[in-house]
Amino acid sequence: DAGVIQSPRHEVTEMGQEVTLRCKPISGHDYLFWYRQTMMRGLELLIYFNNNVPIDDSGMPEDRFSAKMPNASFSTLKIQPSEPRDSAVYFCASSLGRNTDTQYFGPGTRLTVL
Amino acid sequence: SQKIEQNSEALNIQEGKTATLTCNYTNYSPAYLQWYRQDPGRGPVFLLLIRENEKEKRKERLKVTFDTTLKQSLFHITASQPADSATYLCALPPNDYKLSFGAGTTVTVRA
Repeated sequence: DAGVIQSPRHEVTEMGQEVTLRCKPISGHDYLFWYRQTMMRGLELLIYFNNNVPIDDSGMPEDRFSAKMPNASFSTLKIQPSEPRDSAVYFCASSLGRNTDTQYFGPGTRLTVL
Repeated sequence: SQKIEQNSEALNIQEGKTATLTCNYTNYSPAYLQWYRQDPGRGPVFLLLIRENEKEKRKERLKVTFDTTLKQSLFHITASQPADSATYLCALPPNDYKLSFGAGTTVTVRA
């Protein structure tokens, strides 16, 4: 298996622009997680899905952030409009089931908002 | 509020020595705890899970302990090698379906 796939790996955009990050989880995994990592705040959970349904979005910082999972093999995280403070590394992870199971992380998308 | 604290300082050790990392937590009652490794520019990779009824767990040169009374986990890398240089994260479940991660401890092993 190729593991969790994320695209793009790097994104540089200007403040106010829309940004869309993409994730393909490992086939057969029922849970998908979006995280954000910064030096100041560490690794923070933004939202997670179970069987394509958003379960907990309490970590989404504000309405500018939205996430979707239209099918079992694809999810997007969108920021609109983007701001410089959104600059971070965004990780997608997937797992088979409840959190006793290993979470498998993708390589991340490094987002820079100028 | 729930809090996870790992060694605030980076750890620099000589090859062959044992590195010991701490993970302390407050306002959690975790049934288990996980440890992950993260290399620069990569996502975290799962290493070990230890349950509340397990005092110690080993995997090759790694050893983890879990003391629910002290609310602490210790992570040991024995006979350390330069390839062990990375950031190590502990993670606890605030509920059954998600994980909260500590800030991580960066370990550098000198040859």
